[in-house]
Amino acid sequence: SQTIHQWPATLVQPVGSPLSLECTVEGTSNPNLYWYRQAAGRGLQLLFYSVGIGQISSEVPQNLSASRPQDRQFILSSKKLLLSDSGFYLCAWNPGGRNEKLFFGSGTQLSVL
Amino acid sequence: ELKVEQNPLFLSMQEGKNYTIYCNYSTTSDRLYWYRQDPGKSLESLFVLLSNGAVKQEGRLMASLDTKARLSTLHITAAVHDLSATYFCAVDNRYSGGGADGLTFGKGTHLIIQP
Repeated sequence: SQTIHQWPATLVQPVGSPLSLECTVEGTSNPNLYWYRQAAGRGLQLLFYSVGIGQISSEVPQNLSASRPQDRQFILSSKKLLLSDSGFYLCAWNPGGRNEKLFFGSGTQLSVL
Repeated sequence: ELKVEQNPLFLSMQEGKNYTIYCNYSTTSDRLYWYRQDPGKSLESLFVLLSNGAVKQEGRLMASLDTKARLSTLHITAAVHDLSATYFCAVDNRYSGGGADGLTFGKGTHLIIQP
């Protein structure tokens, strides 16, 4: 069966520090991968998605970047965190076909102080 | 731009009562998703609605989709405390006209069911 792993679960970082969140999927190949952010009172916002290795699409301009160095690995990064980067970050995947729902990781609660 | 609006955003109700959460979206789509999120936790898929008139039921929850009205409802029957959570609806971005992938989510309905 397929599983998605996301870490760390909680992160507290000072403003201006770098960020690296990692997400891996097991039990499938060539998944679509997604990064969402959930800020307080704002619902879920799609940040990046990837349909293959090295293919990244960004949905909103921001201080973050994403990379997909391997088929089942998706990384969210920042060179210098801002206060506004605080939030709950969720990685998700689906098999990429029609009618496919998203499966979410356990999330990372990021607090930038 | 695809917009997904839920209402109410906050709902407090008593056990045993019935209620409906509404989800409106701004563009043509024949696919809609409902998710549940417990505090501090990830999202759990509840329903995938794939066509006009689709109705799905799981326990005390029933979801329906009217693509002509661009409306989905999540109906709660005889609510119990365990159903307290935040419920999100989401629409596939590929129907938004921009060709983007992924889902656009509503802001969520925070549901509290009191004994």
